[in-house]
Amino acid sequence: KNEVEQSPQNLTAQEGEFITINCSYSVGISALHWLQQHPGGGIVSLFMLSSGKKKHGRLIATINIQEKHSSLHITASHPRDSAVYICAVRGGAQKLVFGQGTRLTINP
Amino acid sequence: ETGVTQSPTHLIKTRGQQVTLRCSSQSGHNTVSWYQQALGQGPQFIFQYYREEENGRGNFPPRFSGLQFPNYSSELNVNALELDDSALYLCASSLEPQETQYFGPGTRLLVL
Repeated sequence: KNEVEQSPQNLTAQEGEFITINCSYSVGISALHWLQQHPGGGIVSLFMLSSGKKKHGRLIATINIQEKHSSLHITASHPRDSAVYICAVRGGAQKLVFGQGTRLTINP
Repeated sequence: ETGVTQSPTHLIKTRGQQVTLRCSSQSGHNTVSWYQQALGQGPQFIFQYYREEENGRGNFPPRFSGLQFPNYSSELNVNALELDDSALYLCASSLEPQETQYFGPGTRLLVL
């Protein structure tokens, strides 16, 4: 079993829909990151959180430390949101452990 | 302020060869982390350098080695290349080891 599991692996939705991507982890962590990766490889850090909730524009990230679970929400989704969304957790030894990613496609 | 840059962008090598990948960290950042991302997979942590010293290492063999320079730029060296080393190699810099990481565009390595 992977230390970081994301669901779903693939998600296709229509423009305007509310999107939720889930991340569960099995190790103790000091922080959880949500990252966005576009075709071609570039990765952008969206959020780093260790408790509660953060919001940036149409993106919202939440984390429940007790349940070892985090969600990334996108409101009013747009085709430009199409990308791979990756959850990564920081455990020991300065190491980030990444999930497999969720491929999101938003159709116009 | 420039972002994280990596060179080269693409590289083709043959089995057994050696390769050096380079990363320039964002201005003011003293920490560089390297990751390997195979096609369709999430990135895997190779190692991290903080103030010119290795500061953590993932499950990669010793033929993966690194270096960080006084200006905090970094190199990743891979010796005795294997076909499975074909991947996107990402570096990320941060102000300190625990801070948010900013990723470079990656170097795509193909080993034939």
